[in-house]
Amino acid sequence: NAGVTQTPKFRILKIGQSMTLQCTQDMNHNYMYWYRQDPGMGLKLIYYSVGAGITDKGEVPNGYNVSRSTTEDFPLRLELAAPSQTSVYFCASRPGLAGAEKTQYFGPGTRLLVL
Amino acid sequence: DAKTTQPPSMDCAEGRAANLPCNHSTISGNEYVYWYRQIHSQGPQYIIHGLKNNETNEMASLIITEDRKSSTLILPHATLRDTAVYYCIVRGNNNDMRFGAGTRLTVKP
Repeated sequence: NAGVTQTPKFRILKIGQSMTLQCTQDMNHNYMYWYRQDPGMGLKLIYYSVGAGITDKGEVPNGYNVSRSTTEDFPLRLELAAPSQTSVYFCASRPGLAGAEKTQYFGPGTRLLVL
Repeated sequence: DAKTTQPPSMDCAEGRAANLPCNHSTISGNEYVYWYRQIHSQGPQYIIHGLKNNETNEMASLIITEDRKSSTLILPHATLRDTAVYYCIVRGNNNDMRFGAGTRLTVKP
C-alpha cells in the first residue's frame, strides 16, 4: 500500500488564484481529513468526510471546499487564495469507529505559499 | 475532547530513556489517549494509544495513571532520529483530532 499520498508537494499561488490539493488513500478507509499547520503550531482541522458523498466542516473551514465522490479521493479546493492560507496542508485517513480503527494515518503534506 | 497540557520542550541524551509527560485532567471514561510525533515538518506519525492499561509496542510504551488524569510516553533508548515534536491527544467519538503545540524533544549525542 502507498498509504496516503498528496500532490503537489509545494506550490506558490498569487492572491486570488485557485487550486486543488489532491489526496488519495489506497487503504479503503472510510474517514478522511484535511488539516492545516501554520509555523510552530499544531494542526487544525479544515474539513472531514465519513464516507463517499458525505463531508462536514472542521475547526477552520472558511476559504476552502471539499468533495468526496469516491472512497479513495478527498480533494481540497481553494477558490480565492489569500496570504492567510499560506500553510502546510496534511491529509489523513482512518478505517472506522472502534478502538485502534480511530488511528489516523497522515500524508506527507503540501506546502502552500500565497503571495 | 479533553484538553491536554505538555511541556514545550525537553532534552534527552542519546541511548537514554525519554519520558514525555502529558496532563489530561478532564479526560472522560470513553476517551483514549493517543501519541503522535512529527519529524521536521513531515506528516504526523502514529506512535501508540491506550484507554486504561499501560501499552507497549515496538516504538514506545505508554503509562497511564490509575485516575487517567495524566500519562507518560516512554522511548526506551532514544536515538538522534527520535528528535521530533510529540503530540499527546485525548479523543472520544468526535471526528477530529485536536493537536496542540506538543513537546519538542531534542535527543543529544
